[in-house]
Amino acid sequence: LAKTTQPISMDSYEGQEVNITCSHNNIATNDYITWYQQFPSQGPRFIIQGYKTKVTNEVASLFIPADRKSSTLSLPRVSLSDTAVYYCLVGRLNNNAGNMLTFGGGTRLMVKP
Amino acid sequence: DAGVTQSPTHLIKTRGQHVTLRCSPISGHKSVSWYQQVLGQGPQFIFQYYEKEERGRGNFPDRFSARQFPNYSSELNVNALLLGDSALYLCASTERGLAGGGDTQYFGPGTRLTVL
Repeated sequence: LAKTTQPISMDSYEGQEVNITCSHNNIATNDYITWYQQFPSQGPRFIIQGYKTKVTNEVASLFIPADRKSSTLSLPRVSLSDTAVYYCLVGRLNNNAGNMLTFGGGTRLMVKP
Repeated sequence: DAGVTQSPTHLIKTRGQHVTLRCSPISGHKSVSWYQQVLGQGPQFIFQYYEKEERGRGNFPDRFSARQFPNYSSELNVNALLLGDSALYLCASTERGLAGGGDTQYFGPGTRLTVL
């Protein structure tokens, strides 16, 4: 399973853009990269998923370089409510063994006023 | 449409007891996965079921078992509870069971289990 490495914590201020980078050096050909947001005592919430290049939705952008060994989640103009833990996941697709998504420790983002 | 639902919300048990946690996936989703999240850590994968068959198992002891019913809901059972089983248990559903391959996994709110 592809292991991910993210910064333990990050601080930012309201209105700033936040970029969280995740390393996944042994990502496999079939793996997708997915980011989740989690607030205390709640289930993780899907943010964005991508395979290569750039993906953008209404809340974030995901940048994936050509070698796919890392990815960067970009949150534009964060607000206090974006204070949460952000997880980068790399999924191993295997129809015989099922799917095992491995969560790392996540990045604790603190947005300050 | 309702999201993933889990019951109960909170549960308190004592060591050695047995517990059953329940999960209903999003309508139309055929795959359910279970995760354990200990305070301060990321969720750890326990099981995945797709079309009522076990498709994946994480590194958990045999005290943990699960099943999926014809309506795609699922139960997670834990026997002989230990203090270390205290955690938030999360259920997630996907439409095709391909959470790592382009399918989006949606999580429920979790069940907080406390073992005394």
